[in-house]
Amino acid sequence: DVKVTQSSRYLVKRTGEKVFLECVQDMDHENMFWYRQDPGLGLRLIYFSYDVKMKEKGDIPEGYSVSREKKERFSLILESASTNQTSMYLCATLSILYEQYFGPGTRLTVT
Amino acid sequence: RKEVEQDPGPFNVPEGATVAFNCTYSNSASQSFFWYRQDCRKEPKLLMSVYSSGNEDGRFTAQLNRASQYISLLIRDSKLSDSATYLCVVNTGGFKTIFGAGTRLFVKA
Repeated sequence: DVKVTQSSRYLVKRTGEKVFLECVQDMDHENMFWYRQDPGLGLRLIYFSYDVKMKEKGDIPEGYSVSREKKERFSLILESASTNQTSMYLCATLSILYEQYFGPGTRLTVT
Repeated sequence: RKEVEQDPGPFNVPEGATVAFNCTYSNSASQSFFWYRQDCRKEPKLLMSVYSSGNEDGRFTAQLNRASQYISLLIRDSKLSDSATYLCVVNTGGFKTIFGAGTRLFVKA
């Protein structure tokens, strides 16, 4: 079974703070993704990575950066958190059959 | 036009009913198709892949119609536990995965 874990289920941060969200997978998948999910807007891709140290912008990368130093770990960084970044953040991997496997999500609130 | 479109619902059905969802996609080069289930405040989970020949898993049947560019999900004998949001997902090759906005299903006793 694919297992994707995320560092926190719930997080509350203040405006302007730097926020790190971590994701770890144990299935040796090459590709990893960060999404955010908001009511009425569905899943939106922030960044993805297809290899260690390789990354590509998704549809909404502004205000975010990512880091992939090891194959199993993909981090999302909010450089200076803002209230409009309050959301559910979901990490996912992609299997060779193009199936995506998600972590449990981090519900981030920025006050 | 959205790349993947679904009726948002909600579909309200009694236990034991049969319910069907459709999803249309715009990219004719799409290669892989899936249905995911998402419970409230949880992550999406793979329900089933959709093959050209169709796919059945217990009470769930998925079909693909490439000519008309739609996929469907049929749930027979609905259970209360089937209440969730069902996401239609299309992969156009490589990293490009498109998620529909989801169809909400409520199964009532």
